[in-house]
Amino acid sequence: DAMVIQNPRYQVTQFGKPVTLSCSQTLNHNVMYWYQQKSSQAPKLLFHYYDKDFNNEADTPDNFQSRRPNTSFCFLDIRSPGLGDAAMYLCATSRVGGPTNEKLFFGSGTQLSVL
Amino acid sequence: QQQVKQSPQSLIVQKGGISIINCAYENTAFDYFPWYQQFPGKGPALLIAIRPDVSEKKEGRFTISFNKSAKQFSLHIMDSQPGDSATYFCAATPNTGTASKLTFGTGTRLQVTL
Repeated sequence: DAMVIQNPRYQVTQFGKPVTLSCSQTLNHNVMYWYQQKSSQAPKLLFHYYDKDFNNEADTPDNFQSRRPNTSFCFLDIRSPGLGDAAMYLCATSRVGGPTNEKLFFGSGTQLSVL
Repeated sequence: QQQVKQSPQSLIVQKGGISIINCAYENTAFDYFPWYQQFPGKGPALLIAIRPDVSEKKEGRFTISFNKSAKQFSLHIMDSQPGDSATYFCAATPNTGTASKLTFGTGTRLQVTL
């Protein structure tokens, strides 16, 4: 089945140690998003790629970066994780140009712990 | 302007009862209003969505009611089942013809008891 796949499911890192989370999709969608969801809170958009164009949200800390080497893959890099970055990170996709531009498909998320 | 306010924060409903979750928005540019269902440890999944040109949309046991003049919309779950126990998020986004930038409500944790 076409889907959005996130790896790893759980990630533990040390304070200040760079970490990379990955997302892949088989939907051939042109937009990929990264959301941060802290416990019992709503998902918060960090940034998105529309094809190769990177779009950062104004309040996303510089500590968070992203790469999209091709249509299928997108990475979230946290350069120096702090304790406050512990959260569920959700990858999502959508297809601009179709009848439902706004419909997002989410992966199962990566739960990041910072020790 | 970008906020979506959601209530209640938590809800307990008996099996077979009706669950009602409410949301309100300010941004009149919002043009698409989805509801997402999220089980613990999983990503949100689209449940049902509505556009402001209709006042109601029904899919199975799930119904969205939309009041454009009041800038409010709600999710009704009829004949609630224990399997419906999850967190529900309303959301909204303008139709920009480009990437969707959903603004989520704060979520409602629904528990359906036997």
